[in-house]
Amino acid sequence: QKEVEQNSGPLSVPEGAIASLNCTYSDRGSQSFFWYRQYSGKSPELIMFIYSNGDKEDGRFTAQLNKASQYVSLLIRDSQPSDSATYLCAVATVGYSTLTFGKGTMLLVSP
Amino acid sequence: NAGVTQTPKFQVLKTGQSMTLQCAQDMNHNSMYWYRQDPGMGLRLIYYSASEGTTDKGEVPNGYNVSRLNKREFSLRLESAAPSQTSVYFCASSEGLGFHNYGYTFGSGTRLTVV
Repeated sequence: QKEVEQNSGPLSVPEGAIASLNCTYSDRGSQSFFWYRQYSGKSPELIMFIYSNGDKEDGRFTAQLNKASQYVSLLIRDSQPSDSATYLCAVATVGYSTLTFGKGTMLLVSP
Repeated sequence: NAGVTQTPKFQVLKTGQSMTLQCAQDMNHNSMYWYRQDPGMGLRLIYYSASEGTTDKGEVPNGYNVSRLNKREFSLRLESAAPSQTSVYFCASSEGLGFHNYGYTFGSGTRLTVV
């Protein structure tokens, strides 16, 4: 049973701070990792994906992957109230046709 | 640029009624998926179609059927709705999950209430 674990939160940060969202996964065969953002009442939208160990940056977002520790994280710099949402971690495994999702972490950014 | 289109957006059913949720994508994706999302349960896979002509069960298939009508369309049918099927349903598509892939694109969802 492939599992993806996330702290449900809420994670509360002040505007302008760095928000750090974490995800662990159980299957060592996992090779692709995704972060989705979901606003209340809306569908998930892809923010970033990462395949290789290390960091990947896109604007204010940085995804970090450590396959040895089976850990992936998302950093949001200069957090804005508009970043308040639930962030879903998803994992793809070689040989499987589906993504496994974590239950998500709610992020609240206060002005 | 529609992406993934789901219909209807909202639906109320009485217990025992049937309905079909429609999903269509215009991105020429090979794979399509149906998920349900419930508070505290996250996204749970109902059925998926890795390619045209194939369908497979996911984590929670009981009470549902699917049809991959063609490469664009993937429908989800509830034959006899139950209150436990009250949920938000998302359709998604992807190019296919090879070694390097780009994840899913989701539709806007269908909010279904069974009374």
